[in-house]
Amino acid sequence: QKEVEQDPGPLSVPEGAIVSLNCTYSNSAFQYFMWYRQYSRKGPELLMYTYSSGNKEDGRFTAQVDKSSKYISLFIRDSQPSDSATYLCAPRTGRRALTFGSGTRLQVQP
Amino acid sequence: DTAVSQTPKYLVTQMGNDKSIKCEQNLGHDTMYWYKQDSKKFLKIMFSYNNKELIINETVPNRFSPKSPDKAHLNLHINSLELGDSAVYFCASSRDSGTGELFFGEGSRLTVL
Repeated sequence: QKEVEQDPGPLSVPEGAIVSLNCTYSNSAFQYFMWYRQYSRKGPELLMYTYSSGNKEDGRFTAQVDKSSKYISLFIRDSQPSDSATYLCAPRTGRRALTFGSGTRLQVQP
Repeated sequence: DTAVSQTPKYLVTQMGNDKSIKCEQNLGHDTMYWYKQDSKKFLKIMFSYNNKELIINETVPNRFSPKSPDKAHLNLHINSLELGDSAVYFCASSRDSGTGELFFGEGSRLTVL
């Protein structure tokens, strides 16, 4: 079993939709939960992160962590065509390098 | 002004050749990384340096040799290239080794024929 699992997609939604992107993980030592966004032929960039369980909101984006079920979610409200990208979850402990999921490709149709 | 820059962006070469990829960051960060992204978009850590010292060395063939002449530069040399080395190689940097906020370059796409 991989440490981090993501549905590769693609996930295609109409503009304005609410998007839910999800990850599961197996290592209970993970404490920080990062979300990176990667546009085609570009490097990943940090979108947001949370520490431990709970929610964090940043504009149209909300990150949610449920450590009891080892489940991570990223919600995008009022999705825009510019949100079309691959979204990578990356949980980590305080010491190790990031462990990336394989990413979910999102397409927002105008 | 590019924060993390890699050269070359594209590299097409024959099996058995040796090639290098260079990376420079102008963010003043202490830690630099090499990641490999395969055709399925899986991004895997290869190496990490903190202030020129190797701190992460994942299970990577010893044909891959990183080198950090100073903390702003991290190069990757690959000997005897194989078909399976074809991938996008990303350089990244972070303020220190304890943060998960990485700044990535645009990647170097290596194709081995």
